[in-house]
Amino acid sequence: DTEVTQTPKHLVMGMTNKKSLKCEQHMGHRAMYWYKQKAKKPPELMFVYSYEKLSINESVPSRFSPECPNSSLLNLHLHALQPEDSALYLCASSQGAEGINQPQHFGDGTRLSIL
Amino acid sequence: GQNIDQPTEMTATEGAIVQINCTYQTSGFNGLFWYQQHAGEAPTFLSYNVLDGLEEKGRFSSFLSRSKGYSYLLLKELQMKDSASYLCAVRDRGYSTLTFGKGTMLLVSP
Repeated sequence: DTEVTQTPKHLVMGMTNKKSLKCEQHMGHRAMYWYKQKAKKPPELMFVYSYEKLSINESVPSRFSPECPNSSLLNLHLHALQPEDSALYLCASSQGAEGINQPQHFGDGTRLSIL
Repeated sequence: GQNIDQPTEMTATEGAIVQINCTYQTSGFNGLFWYQQHAGEAPTFLSYNVLDGLEEKGRFSSFLSRSKGYSYLLLKELQMKDSASYLCAVRDRGYSTLTFGKGTMLLVSP
């Protein structure tokens, strides 16, 4: 079990659906991250939130829309996804975005399949 | 650009010692992290190095040479549960963002 909780664990959706991925941490971390991981590939950074503000968007398509309602929660809203978006979506958090000795702690991920 | 290299696969025997190497060429450097990831699970933080030298944490040790752009993860007294992918990641910007290597799949056999 990790201290970063992601729901749902699995999600199957059609290309016209709208769904949301949720991430929660109660470690007092002020930086939160979304990563995308394809099979047998490393995680690829999508978004970084620092103190509830979007700090980094790695040129992610607008069909992915992040939201940080408060310091403990991070959402990823999905709309009109493509089959190639099928992947494991990982959420991570760290104490702060700008310190140096702050490892990221990952959730177990949501395995997303687009039909 | 960013370039982080690790061997794709390694095999070792239970009880042995294995060293997983990582070389990097990145535009910036603010630390190197090692993560373990079992199939279908989250990456788990193992170790990090910011300064040159060896960091030891139980059965795991990590070494860094910034001048050579080189790190290794040393696993001692290997156990079957150590079979996993080991990811080398460089913090290359002011934020705690990580660029990951492709990972080394370690298979521990009896």
